[in-house]
Amino acid sequence: NAGVTQTPKFQVLKTGQSMTLQCAQDMNHEYMSWYRQDPGMGLRLIHYSVGAGITDQGEVPNGYNVSRSTTEDFPLRLLSAAPSQTSVYFCASSYGWSDTQYFGPGTRLTVL
Amino acid sequence: AQKITQTQPGMFVQEKEAVTLDCTYDTSDPSYGLFWYKQPSSGEMIFLIYQGSYDQQNATEGRYSLNFQKARKSANLVISASQLGDSAMYFCAMREGLSASGSRLTFGEGTQLTVNP
Repeated sequence: NAGVTQTPKFQVLKTGQSMTLQCAQDMNHEYMSWYRQDPGMGLRLIHYSVGAGITDQGEVPNGYNVSRSTTEDFPLRLLSAAPSQTSVYFCASSYGWSDTQYFGPGTRLTVL
Repeated sequence: AQKITQTQPGMFVQEKEAVTLDCTYDTSDPSYGLFWYKQPSSGEMIFLIYQGSYDQQNATEGRYSLNFQKARKSANLVISASQLGDSAMYFCAMREGLSASGSRLTFGEGTQLTVNP
C-alpha cells in the first residue's frame, strides 16, 4: 500500500490564482480530512469527509472547497489564493471516523 | 480556552535517557481519544500512540508510553531510552465525542525534542 499520497509536494501561487491539492489513499478508508499547519502551530482542520459524497466543514473552511466523488480521492480546491493561505497542507485518512488518522507527506504552499 | 496545552516549547534529553513530554486537555465530553504524533524535520506526521478515555490501562507502544491521568486531564508521553532519531516536534491531539462531527483532531502547539549524544 502507498498509504496517503499528496501532490504536489511544493507549489507557489500568485494572489488570486486557483489550484487543487490532490490527496489519495489506497487503504479503503472511509474518513478523510484536510488540515493546515502554520509556523509554530499545530494542525487545524479545514474540511473532512466521512465517506464518498459526504463532506463537512472543519475549523477553518473559508477559501477552500472539497468534494468526495470516490472513496480514494479527496481533493482540496483553493478558489482564489491569498497570502494568508500560505501554509503546509496535510491530508489524513482513517478507516472510520473514530479510528487513528494517518497523514500524507504534506504540500507546502506559498502564495505571493 | 485551549483544548490541548503543551507547556514545553522545547525539551532536551541525553541519549539513552527517558523523557516526558507534557500534555493537558480540556473537555467536558466523557468520550474522547488522545493521540501523540511525531513530526521530524522532514515534515511528515507519524502516529505514535493512542489512549481512549475509557481505557483502563495506560497505552504502550514499544519505547512510547502514555501516562494517562484522567482526573488531572493529562496525557503525558514518555519516551524511554531516547535515540538521536527521536529528535523531532511532538504533537498531542484530542478527538472528542461519539459522532462523526466529533472526529476532528484538535492539536496542541507542539514540543520540540532534541536528543543530545
